[in-house]
Order: sequence, then structure tokens, then C-alpha cells
Amino acid sequence: QSVLTQPPSVSAAPGQWVTISCSGSRSNIGDNYVSWYQQLPGTAPQLLIYDNNKRPSGIPDRFSGSKSGTSATLGITGLQTGDEADYYCGTWDSSLSAVVFGGGTKLTVL
Amino acid sequence: EVQLVESGGGLVQPGGSLRLSCAASGFTFSSYTMNWVRQAPGKGLEWISSVSRSSTNIHYANSVRGRFTVSRDNAKTSLYLQMNSLTADDTAVYYCARDITGGNGFHHWGQGALVTVSS
Repeated sequence: QSVLTQPPSVSAAPGQWVTISCSGSRSNIGDNYVSWYQQLPGTAPQLLIYDNNKRPSGIPDRFSGSKSGTSATLGITGLQTGDEADYYCGTWDSSLSAVVFGGGTKLTVL
Repeated sequence: EVQLVESGGGLVQPGGSLRLSCAASGFTFSSYTMNWVRQAPGKGLEWISSVSRSSTNIHYANSVRGRFTVSRDNAKTSLYLQMNSLTADDTAVYYCARDITGGNGFHHWGQGALVTVSS
């Protein structure tokens, strides 16, 4: 059971828009920055979003992040088949003194 | 170019020990907190430990506290994870990871080292 809750799967058609939610509590998402990761099969995770809504260099603006209260959301527009991957949210938990991740969401581009 | 290269993975019997290393290059190693993250086969990401720049602050996940020890050698630009009392639940790919500069998020990851605990 992960500290952060994500839907196990989401799906959408190419070119469409999808969102992935990440729910937590005050001690983690509520009080700390959220990051998002994409993991393609057999590869290390890649940072997509940091500090709630910032994109590292090289990440296209099709990817966006937001945070409200104890929840965060990753948005992906203009879906491509190459976006099929597992997506994880993560943040610091002040009560646990630990980094916590969501259980991951598998994105299928139909 | 930032590079993180893990080594030391392999097959170990339950109750055994293993030491992972992460060789860092392409950045000022002593300026960054470093982390270990693992992923069991078919499962999600699990953060297990972090060590601050001068090793002053060290944190562990509850699942490994008391069994795993993280350390670093800034002169050798290397990160280590000593793993003792290993169980099957510790079977995973172990990644070392570094924060993005000036922010919160693991920007750089190694390729991972597979640790298999089995008799």
C-alpha cells in the first residue's frame, strides 16, 4: 500500500489529453513539492516534472503538473504512442522523514 | 554529462550481505544529496535511503532501517549501500539517483543494479 494514491491505469486515444492524479496528505503533498516520473519498459525513470509544475530541460511542454491541497495532477496533451509508460508521483513526507512514491499509473495510448 | 553507474549487484542467499556502489561523474558530487531507489520485479518505485552532502543527514525507509547502511566518499565521488540480512523481499533493481539542481526531484538516475536474493 503506497502512501500516495494513483489510479492503476488510464487510457486515451492518440492526440487526446489525459490526466493522472496523485492523492496524499498534509505531511507529504500538502507541505512539500511533488515530482513526476515516466518509466518506459526496461529503463530507469525519467523526471518529467519537479517542484509541482516545472519541467527539466528537454521535457516537452505537452507535459504539465499542478498541485492543489493534498493532491497533484500530471497532464499530458497531444498523446503519442511513445507516451505509453508507467508514471509515478513522488514527494517528501515530513512525518515519515522519507521520500514516498505513488504506486504508479500505466498509461495506454489506444 | 552527469553519469551514475551502479555496480555490485548479483545473486545472494537469504540472510546474506551485499555492497552496492554508485560511481558518479560529470558534476560536483560533494554538492548534492544522493539517494537509493529500488524497484522489485513488476512493482513500483520504492525510495530506500538518502545521504546529505557531508553525510550529516541520513534517512532510511522503514523497510530497510537497521539492515542497510548508506555512505559516500566525496573524494572518490562514490555512493555506497551496504545491505545485510537480505530477504527475498529485497530482490529488486537498485538505482542511485541525484536531485535536479536547485529543485526537488530525481533528475539523474543510474542504469540500475539487479540484486536477487534466493537460495
